[in-house]
Amino acid sequence: EDKVVQSPLSLVVHEGDTVTLNCSYEVTNFRSLLWYKQEKKAPTFLFMLTSSGIEKKSGRLSSILDKKELFSILNITATQTGDSAIYLCAVVSSNTGKLIFGQGTTLQVKP
Amino acid sequence: DTGVSQNPRHKITKRGQNVTFRCDPISEHNRLYWYRQTLGQGPEFLTYFQNEAQLEKSRLLSDRFSAERPKGSFSTLEIQRTEQGDSAMYLCASSGTSGGFSYEQYFGPGTRLTVT
Repeated sequence: EDKVVQSPLSLVVHEGDTVTLNCSYEVTNFRSLLWYKQEKKAPTFLFMLTSSGIEKKSGRLSSILDKKELFSILNITATQTGDSAIYLCAVVSSNTGKLIFGQGTTLQVKP
Repeated sequence: DTGVSQNPRHKITKRGQNVTFRCDPISEHNRLYWYRQTLGQGPEFLTYFQNEAQLEKSRLLSDRFSAERPKGSFSTLEIQRTEQGDSAMYLCASSGTSGGFSYEQYFGPGTRLTVT
């Protein structure tokens, strides 16, 4: 059965810290990996990764995929209180495009 | 606003009643997905449409659940004879495709269902 596991499940940091969120997966036919941010409402799209070793970057957030070791990381530098949210990792493993989500990592950034 | 919209945003119903939710996807997206999310968990896939065709249903989708997407535009998700275990956030997402590749999914605000 396809599986996506995120770690840690929760994390508390102070403003200015750098955090690394992890996502590992076991799926039959990998197509792509996506990161979403969820703040008490619907998930908002951050990144889609399809190729190993190519970093995607948006402001203070960046992500990279390792298809050999079957994992991805999401980095957030110089964290701000507005980064507090649940970060969801999801994998597409079929032509339907359906997403298989991990449990999420709850990040709390304290002032 | 050209994003995904869902109605209603909140629904409180008594056990045994039927409920229907609506999703309006981004207009140029041909794929539409329904997910269910309970507290502390990531969303779980329920069903998927490509245009008007329902091409996959999760085993989570019991006989009490039915979804439609007439004319390949908006979609409805109906739950019959609701149970307390149906209480969850129901999320709709849409995406475009190209040559069989599915692009990123954009989510609507969700419908939070509470069954009392």
